[in-house]
Amino acid sequence: AQTVTQSQPEMSVQEAETVTLSCTYDTSENNYYLFWYKQPPSRQMILVIRQEAYKQQNATENRFSVNFQKAAKSFSLKISDSQLGDTAMYFCASPNFGNEKLTFGTGTRLTIIP
Amino acid sequence: EPEVTQTPSHQVTQMGQEVILRCVPISNHLYFYWYRQILGQKVEFLVSFYNNEISEKSEIFDDQFSVERPDGSNFTLKIRSTKLEDSAMYFCASSAGQGGSNEKLFFGSGTQLSVL
Repeated sequence: AQTVTQSQPEMSVQEAETVTLSCTYDTSENNYYLFWYKQPPSRQMILVIRQEAYKQQNATENRFSVNFQKAAKSFSLKISDSQLGDTAMYFCASPNFGNEKLTFGTGTRLTIIP
Repeated sequence: EPEVTQTPSHQVTQMGQEVILRCVPISNHLYFYWYRQILGQKVEFLVSFYNNEISEKSEIFDDQFSVERPDGSNFTLKIRSTKLEDSAMYFCASSAGQGGSNEKLFFGSGTQLSVL
């Protein structure tokens, strides 16, 4: 079965600092996508960034970037210049290739301190 | 940006009652999903739906659950006889292609179901 592990249940950083959230996953596939979702207090699920496993270049979306280590099956999310609005739960997710479902990690609760 | 719409945002029901959660996926999307999140826990896959039939379902999606696309726009999740443990946030999602593996999954804002 697909597993996604987020080992940091909670993190907090000062505003404007950089923070890295870790995620490891387990798959036997070669081609797949990985995702980070943000869930603010409103509980909406918002896609932050996705990484294509067959691309060596790490994905970047403005202040959000990933450090993708395919061999280590590691997919960390870096948030630069953190803002108060970044306070949320962050979920890493990986698909089960060949079918449609996403498997989510248990989440990291990130708090940005003013 | 297009949105997945879910109604109601909050549903309260008595144990044993039937509930229907409604979703309007993005109009040109072909794949539809329901996920749920029990408070404080991770998001769990329930069911995927394509071409008017279930394409995959999880162990959670037992005979008490059913999904339907009654017309060209709505996608519903029915729980036939609710239990206390069905209390959760239910998310509808849709994607243009096969979700997860190569497509962006759009989530709705969720329906919080409270079973009393």
